[in-house]
Amino acid sequence: EVQLVESGGGLVQPGRSLKLSCVASGFTFSNYGMNWIRQAPGKGLEWVAYISSGSSYIYYAETVKGRFTISRDNAKNTLYLQMTSLRSEDTALYYCASDVADYWGQGVMVTVSS
Amino acid sequence: DIVMTQAPLSVSVTPGESASISCRSSKSLLHSNGITYVYWYLQKPGKSPQLLIYRMSNLASGVPDRFSGSGSETDFTLKISRVEAEDVGIYYCGQLLENPLTFGSGTKLEIK
Repeated sequence: EVQLVESGGGLVQPGRSLKLSCVASGFTFSNYGMNWIRQAPGKGLEWVAYISSGSSYIYYAETVKGRFTISRDNAKNTLYLQMTSLRSEDTALYYCASDVADYWGQGVMVTVSS
Repeated sequence: DIVMTQAPLSVSVTPGESASISCRSSKSLLHSNGITYVYWYLQKPGKSPQLLIYRMSNLASGVPDRFSGSGSETDFTLKISRVEAEDVGIYYCGQLLENPLTFGSGTKLEIK
């Protein structure tokens, strides 16, 4: 069974940093590109970042470019999202999802507030 | 960025009846390889989104065949036949042709 389990969320002040993790199991993680997709409270889905299977290709949404960094450790079957200079508008439920979003984690909440 | 426009915003359906949700993209989602990169997802209340349809008309694993997808290069339809109570939630179309991936704003399906 495919599982994606996110962690690392929480309440953080504006301007601070936070690092999310997503541990994958049930499939060959190193063969697949991965995404971070977020959903602000009561809102729709917003794609955040993508990383290819071997980390050669990385893309970001304009809203996070320069502040967020996506990375992965294939030996640990883990996807990361390093978030810096956080803003209130980054408050959302963050999902990790497989390359064509056929598998999603349960999401981890990030709240940016003073 | 490719804009995905969904309609209607919400739909109320009697169990056993059919429902259709439309999605339009601002650019053709037909790749030169012949694949149309539109996907449909359902987010049930309090849950993560789940894939229903991939590449416009292919049913994802475990999804009932009451769900079907169709369309052209820019206009797409998700049809739900014989709606059941478990189908309630928000339906999103998404394009995976190019980055940034973009999604429609969602269609809320309710049961009458």
